[in-house]
Amino acid sequence: GAGVSQSPSNKVTEKGKDVELRCDPISGHTALYWYRQSLGQGLEFLIYFQGNSAPDKSGLPSDRFSAERTGGSVSTLTIQRTQQEDSAVYLCASSGTDVAGYTFGSGTRLTVV
Amino acid sequence: AQTVTQSQPEMSVQEAETVTLSCTYDTSENNYYLFWYKQPPSRQMILVIRQEAYKQQNATENRFSVNFQKAAKSFSLKISDSQLGDTAMYFCAFEPSDKIIFGKGTRLHILP
Repeated sequence: GAGVSQSPSNKVTEKGKDVELRCDPISGHTALYWYRQSLGQGLEFLIYFQGNSAPDKSGLPSDRFSAERTGGSVSTLTIQRTQQEDSAVYLCASSGTDVAGYTFGSGTRLTVV
Repeated sequence: AQTVTQSQPEMSVQEAETVTLSCTYDTSENNYYLFWYKQPPSRQMILVIRQEAYKQQNATENRFSVNFQKAAKSFSLKISDSQLGDTAMYFCAFEPSDKIIFGKGTRLHILP
C-alpha cells in the first residue's frame, strides 16, 4: 500500500482480556518495527522484524507481549491478559533499503479499563 | 547505553520567529543516521529531516535545518519563519545499528 496501515485506530478493552493489533507495512519494505508511546512520553522500542524473523525482541516488556509477521508483510502484536499499564499508543513503522528512516502508521490507541 | 536527550520538554515561540530545539545523544558507533520527527496532534509521525553522521555538511529542508556537531554528539533543529502548522511534538532520534532510538520529545507551540 501507499502508507503503513494500522488497525484498529482505537481499542478499549477490559483488564484481563487479550488484544491483537495489526500493522500492514508499505509494500516491499522488509523491516518492520513496533514502538509504544505512553502518554506524554517518547517512543519505547518493542520489537523489530527483518522479513519474518525477529532479530531483536529486547523491548517486549513481559511475556504477555508477543508479535509475529507472516509472508514478510502483515504483523500482529498480541497482548495477553491486558493490564492498565498497557494503555498507550502502539506505533508501527516500516523501512526499505533505499533510504534511511522509517515510515510510521497512525498508531493504535489502546485503553485498558 | 545508547541514549538520546532532549533537554527542553516544552517551548513556545511567536509565529514567524526562529526556534532551535536541542538534542544530544550518546553512542560509541562511528557511523549512524540522525533524524528529527514531528508528531502533530493527529499522532502521525512525520520525518522532518535526516543527517548521515559521516557527512560534515548540515542537512537542510526548506525552513528546517540542523546543526550537527559530531564530536559533541549534538544535533539541534532550527525552524525558521515558524508557522502555526509547526505546532507539534518533535522527537530527535538516531539509528546506530538496527533500530532507531528516540528522545522523549519537545512539545513546541507556535503562538499567533
